[in-house]
Amino acid sequence: AQSVTQLGSHVSVSEGALVLLRCNYSSSVPPYLFWYVQYPNQGLQLLLKYTTGATLVKGINGFEAEFKKSETSFHLTKPSAHMSDAAEYFCAVRDRSNTGKLIFGQGTTLQVKP
Amino acid sequence: GAGVSQTPSNKVTEKGKYVELRCDPISGHTALYWYRQSLGQGPEFLIYFQGTGAADDSGLPNDRFFAVRPEGSVSTLKIQRTERGDSAVYLCASSLQSSPDTQYFGPGTRLTVL
Repeated sequence: AQSVTQLGSHVSVSEGALVLLRCNYSSSVPPYLFWYVQYPNQGLQLLLKYTTGATLVKGINGFEAEFKKSETSFHLTKPSAHMSDAAEYFCAVRDRSNTGKLIFGQGTTLQVKP
Repeated sequence: GAGVSQTPSNKVTEKGKYVELRCDPISGHTALYWYRQSLGQGPEFLIYFQGTGAADDSGLPNDRFFAVRPEGSVSTLKIQRTERGDSAVYLCASSLQSSPDTQYFGPGTRLTVL
């Protein structure tokens, strides 16, 4: 069965510092991979996704993630954190044979300090 | 255009009662998903509709939960004999059939069972 592990339920960075949120997946076949962001009292918003092609994926708001098959990872990064990046971030996978069911990680709360 | 809408935004009920949660997908989206997000957790898949039919209901926790989508647009998630453990945010998402990797989420319904 597929699963997603997000290392670190809370991450705190200073404004302007590098953001690194970790995600590892477990799957017999490389799945499709996603990062979602959830701002307080708002719905989930897709940040970026990897399906095929280039393993370095760029998303909205300056975020990017790299699919590393050998490490079964899909870590999310941003070079310089903004206060507005404070939110909860979810990594998710979808089975290539499945029609749409997403399996989410536990989430990582990003705190940005001034 | 309008996004996915869910009503009510909040629902408080007593243990043992019946509740209905409604989801209005984006117009033209034939795929509709329900997820449940418990406090401090990532969303968990419940059910997926393609048109009017439930294509995958493997995430429904037990027979107290069922969902319908009679005309292929609006969907209702129904919970019988509610239990305190059902308290969570229920999320709805929709997508084009051709783009299951781009799911648009609604703001959710927060269900509290007293």
